[in-house]
Amino acid sequence: DAEITQSPRHKITETGRQVTLACHQTWNHNNMFWYRQDLGHGLRLIHYSYGVHDTNKGEVSDGYSVSRSNTEDLPLTLESAASSQTSVYFCASSDPSSGGTDTQYFGPGTRLTVL
Amino acid sequence: GESVGLHLPTLSVQEGDNSIINCAYSNSASDYFIWYKQESGKGPQFIIDIRSNMDKRQGQRVTVLLNKTVKHLSLQIAATQPGDSAVYFCAEASRRGGATNKLIFGTGTLLAVQP
Repeated sequence: DAEITQSPRHKITETGRQVTLACHQTWNHNNMFWYRQDLGHGLRLIHYSYGVHDTNKGEVSDGYSVSRSNTEDLPLTLESAASSQTSVYFCASSDPSSGGTDTQYFGPGTRLTVL
Repeated sequence: GESVGLHLPTLSVQEGDNSIINCAYSNSASDYFIWYKQESGKGPQFIIDIRSNMDKRQGQRVTVLLNKTVKHLSLQIAATQPGDSAVYFCAEASRRGGATNKLIFGTGTLLAVQP
């Protein structure tokens, strides 16, 4: 079955280190999204992509970057991890083209702790 | 800025009762709305959606009502079961180039089902 996966599921790192979180979907969706979820803030959009080589900043993009070299993957990189980036990160995908809807389908999440 | 349901209330119901979860949205230009369910330790899961040309849509045990006049969205769950215990998020769509791709999420409502 088609799915969306994230890895690792849990990560502990130190301040200043570079961290990359993986997101892989097998639905062949054009649109992919990264969110962070913190208590009191709900889901906040970090970056998103509407297709290969397309990336866009969301509302909380500072300190994060993404790249889209193929349809299936949208890795999220924290260039220099900060304690404020301790959070749960969710990847999602959607494809409103070809009669599809705007519904986003989410991965299981990655819990990142920055010490 | 735009906001959707910036509250995190808790709704406690008895098993077998009907549940109603409410959400207010602020962007009158939004025309697509989704309800998600998030269980502890998991990613958000799509429940039901509705477009602004409708005021009611039914699924299996769930009904979404949309009141565009007062910018209010509600999710009704019939015969609530313990497995319905979760955080429920509403989300509204942001349009881009005629296609609806980005979602703006509220902070969610915790539904606690008492046996």
